[in-house]
Amino acid sequence: GAVVSQHPSWVICKSGTSVKIECRSLDFQATTMFWYRQFPKKSLMLMATSNEGSKATYEQGVEKDKFLINHASLTLSTLTVTSAHPEDSSFYICSARRLTSGEFTDTQYFGPGTRLTVL
Amino acid sequence: GEDVEQSLFLSVREGDSSVINCTYTDSSSTYLYWYKQEPGAGLQLLTYIFSNMDMKQDQRLTVLLNKKDKHLSLRIADTQTGDSAIYFCAENLMYSGGGADGLTFGKGTHLIIQP
Repeated sequence: GAVVSQHPSWVICKSGTSVKIECRSLDFQATTMFWYRQFPKKSLMLMATSNEGSKATYEQGVEKDKFLINHASLTLSTLTVTSAHPEDSSFYICSARRLTSGEFTDTQYFGPGTRLTVL
Repeated sequence: GEDVEQSLFLSVREGDSSVINCTYTDSSSTYLYWYKQEPGAGLQLLTYIFSNMDMKQDQRLTVLLNKKDKHLSLRIADTQTGDSAIYFCAENLMYSGGGADGLTFGKGTHLIIQP
């Protein structure tokens, strides 16, 4: 099956520092990856769409200068939270879009998530 | 705009059927999904349904779609303790430009299994 990994699984950092989160599709190529943020008792919120070789598309209200996304290869996208603050503490989940032939041609496979805590 | 609503909790006895409901607002949705999130784990795709279908059955899972009322449900037959998780309803919009966009999720329903 399709596997997506995230690294690190959890990170604690000081306020003002930057944190990089990696999302990898392990056994398929993903031209598109997505970054979500999950708040306690709230739904997953799409932050941005990451396309290999081009600039990411950010959802309304997401600061692109704060959440830097790089999709340098077909199997890796990174999210960098710059100058992190306590309000950035959250669970960040990525997904990778897999295109296949057959009945269901488009689905997203999710990583296990990264818990970010900013002190 | 898109908005997906779910109730936050559902409690059922082991062996009974669980029915998790979801409503959505955007009639242009083409795919509707159910994802399962176990504690500490990522999201797992359980099942999906095309918007031109009314029902889909996959082993213990039955998905019902009422497009008129924009209502989606997931029925889990013979609920087991391993089914305890958060279940997310999600929709995927196909825009006129082609290609899929990110998913819009509900808040998730916590399924609690009573012995």
